[in-house]
Amino acid sequence: DQQVKQNSPSLSVQEGRISILNCDYTNSMFDYFLWYKKYPAEGPTFLISISSIKDKNEDGRFTVFLNKSAKHLSLHIVPSQPGDSAVYFCAASETGNTGKLIFGQGTTLQVKP
Amino acid sequence: SAVISQKPSRDICQRGTSLTIQCQVDSQVTMMFWYRQQPGQSLTLIATANQGSEATYESGFVIDKFPISRPNLTFSTLTVSNMSPEDSSIYLCSVLEQVGQNTFGSGTRLTVV
Repeated sequence: DQQVKQNSPSLSVQEGRISILNCDYTNSMFDYFLWYKKYPAEGPTFLISISSIKDKNEDGRFTVFLNKSAKHLSLHIVPSQPGDSAVYFCAASETGNTGKLIFGQGTTLQVKP
Repeated sequence: SAVISQKPSRDICQRGTSLTIQCQVDSQVTMMFWYRQQPGQSLTLIATANQGSEATYESGFVIDKFPISRPNLTFSTLTVSNMSPEDSSIYLCSVLEQVGQNTFGSGTRLTVV
């Protein structure tokens, strides 16, 4: 049973345009949602997170939107740059500050120059 | 953020043997975690490494196969025992720095032949 889902395996956008990566979840008890970027042969790099009590968090070019009623979140990257090309993972944190993360399958983003 | 060093970065091992992966953090952290990423898959939590007590394993993972040590607040090891080709994965150490932010090491790429 996949509690965190990223239904798009890949996404291709033009440099300078917006990249939108989507994530759905099933467990309404998740308290934090995180986005990670991963290059081959490297560990995941933390990008941005959002608490379940908020609906938007912004950090530079990265904005995460949370729609609790739809159990959906999205990561917006504006403007997209070729260096953003990587695999992006959505993750959810269980309630209770356990620190445990449940990951989606990942979306491969390609930003074309 | 915390800097996490993992050793080795990669290894090729014979089936039936064991490999111990080390994780060193540059600051004291309470919660450390071990994840696995099988080829083409997402990240899956193996266990939470508790300082001063036994590790807590997730469903599908057992201590005999993945023994973990946590001798202090900056160090942990994960051993992959009696390896088979199905154990070929990237193994990742992670720490909880603050609520909503987990940091990962660069990972250990294990190939079992």
